[in-house]
Amino acid sequence: ILNVEQSPQSLHVQEGDSTNFTCSFPSSNFYALHWYRWETAKSPEALFVMTLNGDEKKKGRISATLNTKEGYSYLYIKGSQPEDSATYLCASSTGANNLFFGTGTRLTVIP
Amino acid sequence: GAGVSQSPRYKVTKRGQDVALRCDPISGHVSLYWYRQALGQGPEFLTYFNYEAQQDKSGLPNDRFSAERPEGSISTLTIQRTEQRDSAMYRCASSLGASGGIYEQYFGPGTRLTVT
Repeated sequence: ILNVEQSPQSLHVQEGDSTNFTCSFPSSNFYALHWYRWETAKSPEALFVMTLNGDEKKKGRISATLNTKEGYSYLYIKGSQPEDSATYLCASSTGANNLFFGTGTRLTVIP
Repeated sequence: GAGVSQSPRYKVTKRGQDVALRCDPISGHVSLYWYRQALGQGPEFLTYFNYEAQQDKSGLPNDRFSAERPEGSISTLTIQRTEQRDSAMYRCASSLGASGGIYEQYFGPGTRLTVT
């Protein structure tokens, strides 16, 4: 079992603000890092999968970076909108296909 | 195309009964995963399959839990002699490939199990 930690647990931001949150994972035996967006009453949806140290991925106003040597990933949201309100989950893999998820960061964007 | 489907969506059962939860993955997806998700928490890994072979069942809580995927497509998670602590959302996911977790997973809507 991998210990994947996310911080903060929850976050409130004003519409238009930019924000970021952190996922920490064991750097030993690292293989892949996933970010998922999870809206209440829906299924988690994949945002990014990253494997290489220094990877940066972007989808619209959302981007993510990966540091495998120190075991962390940041998710950034630029110009937050109310529709960005969701729980953002990260998950790490050691190469055995199973993912270990963190408990998520619950983002609320206030109009 | 159709996404991952699960049935039933809701299941209420009495303690001691057996339940079977079904997952129908995206057609052509090699890997299938089962997770349990407590309220407000991230998914907790239970087990996964590549094709019909169960690769890892280390996350199954005890021997009352079992899973199968006999033809490499639909999977069933069975919980025998259910207990109240088994109450949770059970989610299934599938992915295109089986290469160490580099493929994104597509999640189903989940089955909400309540044991009374």
